[in-house]
Amino acid sequence: QKEVEQDPGPLSVPEGAIVSLNCTYSNSAFQYFMWYRQYSRKGPELLMYTYSSGNKEDGRFTAQVDKSSKYISLFIRDSQPSDSATYLCAMSAEDYKLSFGAGTTVTVRA
Amino acid sequence: DVKVTQSSRYLVKRTGEKVFLECVQDMDHENMFWYRQDPGLGLRLIYFSYDVKMKEKGDIPEGYSVSREKKERFSLILESASTNQTSMYLCASRSRENYGYTFGSGTRLTVV
Repeated sequence: QKEVEQDPGPLSVPEGAIVSLNCTYSNSAFQYFMWYRQYSRKGPELLMYTYSSGNKEDGRFTAQVDKSSKYISLFIRDSQPSDSATYLCAMSAEDYKLSFGAGTTVTVRA
Repeated sequence: DVKVTQSSRYLVKRTGEKVFLECVQDMDHENMFWYRQDPGLGLRLIYFSYDVKMKEKGDIPEGYSVSREKKERFSLILESASTNQTSMYLCASRSRENYGYTFGSGTRLTVV
């Protein structure tokens, strides 16, 4: 079993829809949770960062962490074609190493 | 703008060659990482470095080595390239104060 599970999709939505992405994990020591966005032929870029449980909002993006269920989510409201990318969840414990999900490919249709 | 720069975007090498992938960061970050990214497998950690001249094995170090002689530079070495090392290689760095990584644009390596 992988330490971090993420449905690879692909996910296709119309412009303006809400995109819902999620990951589950098995390591209860994970404390730091991140979402990265990766455009084609580019490196991942940090999108959202959350420590421990709770919600965090940044513009059209909301990240949620439920440590009791070992489940994290990313919501994108009012999705735009420019949101089309691969979204990677990532998490770590009190060390330096991030564990990544496999990534979900999202296409927002104009 | 802060940057992690990988020396090559695309490389084609022959089986058995020794391959060097270079990564330079300009953010004075202590920690640097090498990942490979394959479809369906996500990012897998090959090696990382806490600081200059320090290195630790990641999850898939076999067939690879690394060098960190200067703080800004972290090199990945494929001792004898094989076809199963065809992949996208990503370098990243982070400071001790911030858990977010900054990634380079990647090197797509093809071993023929």
